[in-house]
Amino acid sequence: DQQVKQNSPSLSVQEGRISILNCDYTNSMFDYFLWYKKYPAEGPTFLISISSIKDKNEDGRFTVFLNKSAKHLSLHIVPSQPGDSALYFCAARSRSSNTGKLIFGQGTTLQVKP
Amino acid sequence: EPEVTQTPSHQVTQMGQEVILRCVPISNHLYFYWYRQILGQKVEFLVSFYNNEISEKSEIFDDQFSVERPDGSNFTLKIRSTKLEDSAMYFCASSPTGPTEAFFGQGTRLTVV
Repeated sequence: DQQVKQNSPSLSVQEGRISILNCDYTNSMFDYFLWYKKYPAEGPTFLISISSIKDKNEDGRFTVFLNKSAKHLSLHIVPSQPGDSALYFCAARSRSSNTGKLIFGQGTTLQVKP
Repeated sequence: EPEVTQTPSHQVTQMGQEVILRCVPISNHLYFYWYRQILGQKVEFLVSFYNNEISEKSEIFDDQFSVERPDGSNFTLKIRSTKLEDSAMYFCASSPTGPTEAFFGQGTRLTVV
């Protein structure tokens, strides 16, 4: 099941620079997308979400962009901080599921170097 | 800040034994979920629970799995006869309404030996 793909397993950026994490999806029924952050030995923590009726959502240093025609979304973190170093999951929900079931990508490990 | 709590944090069990994983969702949430993550793999949906019944389940959630909300606050996942391949991190999550973001617990690491 490859409906949500994060093709980069890891990303390394310098503190203060921009981090861009990418996510692609194949299911055109997806109508809500979320980014989660996960530290080792902890559960995923919700970061930011976007509905398919929007193309951008911003919350502080975090911005998510959605390109529906390309079935692509990205998470921008500006400026990146060492505390942002974690595993980031992209997740999607289908409009055919009224229970909020999420389909996750494989994750991208972000390392922010001081 | 309200959070989802899971117990135990780590459970080791022998193959064939029954295990019960426990979760206390956020109190005013209505939707409850179990997900699992096998080491090195994606987080996978197992089951959703709403209004005291299963609302959706994956193909993974076969007859050896069951969920229960026994007392209005706890939410449990029971694996009746564990297999080696059930070894994984199991995450409980809750959501105020289905379509919004889910809040996850810290997980229970299940090791079947």
